Parts: sequence; structure tokens; C-alpha cells
Amino acid sequence: GESVGLHLPTLSVQEGDNSIINCAYSNSASDYFIWYKQESGKGPQFIIDIRSNMDKRQGQRVTVLLNKTVKHLSLQIAATQPGDSAVYFCAENKGLDSSYKLIFGSGTRLLVRP
Amino acid sequence: ETGVTQTPRHLVMGMTNKKSLKCEQHLGHNAMYWYKQSAKKPLELMFVYNFKEQTENNSVPSRFSPECPNSSHLFLHLHTLQPEDSALYLCASSQDGYTEAFFGQGTRLTVV
Repeated sequence: GESVGLHLPTLSVQEGDNSIINCAYSNSASDYFIWYKQESGKGPQFIIDIRSNMDKRQGQRVTVLLNKTVKHLSLQIAATQPGDSAVYFCAENKGLDSSYKLIFGSGTRLLVRP
Repeated sequence: ETGVTQTPRHLVMGMTNKKSLKCEQHLGHNAMYWYKQSAKKPLELMFVYNFKEQTENNSVPSRFSPECPNSSHLFLHLHTLQPEDSALYLCASSQDGYTEAFFGQGTRLTVV
């Protein structure tokens, strides 16, 4: 079996503080981006998305920022709660033709300290 | 519940076995996907189906064979797998391949 796991960057925050998770994407032609949350034993869950004609989008307690100049995406979580502890993935749509598909980053683990 | 259901949730199979993973979506979506998630790599896209037609095979070995009989069902047929194929296999669907994908809970596959 596998003895070495994927090393995920980890962000540890105090409950109630704001969290910022960053992601660098690779394809300047990507025009749609999504943040997903994955809890242990579950599939990824959609959080928020943004298209390339925007640089900011807000949801409930979450904000996504897109900087196309440096190909950077961030997810801000306000007033972080214990239930926010999970692995967070950014995904980019690399659809250059009719065959659209989502490509995922390696993820960031968020740990919320009580 | 995301509206995407995968069965079985757990599967242990020998290297000479043949098994199939099933995915069903109740969302009326037209695009379906298979992803592999292992301990060593991030989520890897395996196959994409749009309107029942395979539009992407991401260099997946032939021991993995997808089947999409209709827009609501997706299968992954497995045969002569290797231990390194042990992973979480995730199915997802989206409306048109250009919007958010909804994931199932995954099938945890162990090859012995």
C-alpha cells in the first residue's frame, strides 16, 4: 500500500478569525474558477465560483478574489468556525473548445482551533 | 446530498477480479465525470462525457473502461487492476460542462 501521502499545505486559524486560502492557477485561458470544500470521507462540495470577467464575488461568509494578471485566486472565510475544518481545492475550467473540464489544484488543509 | 449517488461506497478486489462502479445523478445534468483521488496525488480527471459522448480520456490505462448508457448513469468497469490503483473514485456531474460540478461521495477502492 501507499506509505507516503500527499503533503498538503496547512492553514491553522483560531475560531472566529478570518481565513485566507490561496491558489495559483496555470492556464491564462481558463475563464471559470471554483472553490470546493472536502471533509473527511466525503466528496468535494461546491462553495463558490467566479468567472474571468469578475475580480470579486461574495457569498455567505465567503469571498473569492481573482487576479488574472498574476493568475491567482483566493478564498476568504469570515469568522471561521470549527465546521470549516476541511481540505479546500480550487479548480479551473480549462475548456479551450467544446470539451470543458475542471482541473483541480492540490488543496489546502484548514484547521480551526477552538 | 448532492444528487449524485455512487455505489458501492467501499470495494475490495483482487488483481484478477472484474468489478464495476456505478454513478447516478438526479439533477438533469448533461455532463458526467470520473475523477481519481489518491493519497499521493491531487484530484485527477479521468474521463468526461457530454451528452453521453466521451469527450475526454486523460491518458487512463485500458484496465479502466467507462460506460455512459444515458445522461443519468455512468459506470467505470475495472479489470486486472494493480495495487497502485487503490484510491477514492469520484463521480461528478454538471449541467453543461461549463458550470459547477456536483460530486458523489465516492467509492473507496482497495486492490489487493
